[in-house]
Amino acid sequence: DAGVTQSPTHLIKTRGQQVTLRCSPKSGHDTVSWYQQALGQGPQFIFQYYEEEERQRGNFPDRFSGHQFPNYSSELNVNALLLGDSALYLCASSHRVGEQFFGPGTRLTVL
Amino acid sequence: GENVEQHPSTLSVQEGDSAVIKCTYSDSASNYFPWYKQELGKRPQLIIDIRSNVGEKKDQRIAVTLNKTAKHFSLHITETQPEDSAVYFCAAKASGSGNTGKLIFGQGTTLQVKP
Repeated sequence: DAGVTQSPTHLIKTRGQQVTLRCSPKSGHDTVSWYQQALGQGPQFIFQYYEEEERQRGNFPDRFSGHQFPNYSSELNVNALLLGDSALYLCASSHRVGEQFFGPGTRLTVL
Repeated sequence: GENVEQHPSTLSVQEGDSAVIKCTYSDSASNYFPWYKQELGKRPQLIIDIRSNVGEKKDQRIAVTLNKTAKHFSLHITETQPEDSAVYFCAAKASGSGNTGKLIFGQGTTLQVKP
C-alpha cells in the first residue's frame, strides 16, 4: 500500500512564474490538505479539499489555488511566484477529518 | 486567532535522559493533539496523539499529557536514544460544524540526544 506521494521532489522557478504541485493520497483516504513549511518553521495550513471542493482555507492569498480530482488526487497551483514562496510544500491525506499522513513534500525554490 | 506555542525551540540531552516538550493552544474548541517527528529532509511522521477526552496516553518510551483547563499539552520521551534526534512539532485540531479539522502547528523543537 503506497503512502502519500508528491511530485516533483524539487522545483526551481523564477519570480513571476507559475507552478503546479501534485499529490496522491494514501489508499482509502478522500481528503487532501496542503501545508507550506518555511525553513525552520512549523507547517502552515493552506487549504483542504474534500469531494473536489475547497472546504477550508488558511491565511494565504488568492495566488494559491487548488483542485481535487475524482480519484482524490490533488494539485496546488501558485501564480505570480514571489521569493517568499520558497518553501517545502507538504500534502497530507486523511479519511474525512481523521489522522493526517504527510507526503515527502516538494521543495520549491524561487529565484 | 488560532495559535499554538511550543517550547523550548532547542533541547539537548544526554542519551538515556528524559526530554519534555511543551505546547499551549489558544482555541478552546481544539479536541485533537498530534505530535510529529521530522528528521532532516524527511516528511513529518505522526508519533503519538491524544484526544480531549483523555488526560494521558503512553506508547513505549513516548507519552503525551493534556490539561484542557490550562490549554496545555506535553510530550515526554524517556530513555532517549541518538535516533530520537529530530525536530518535533505539536499541533492542535478543532472539529465541529464548518471545521474540516485543519492542523495548527507549533514552531518546532530541535531535540539533540548526545551519545
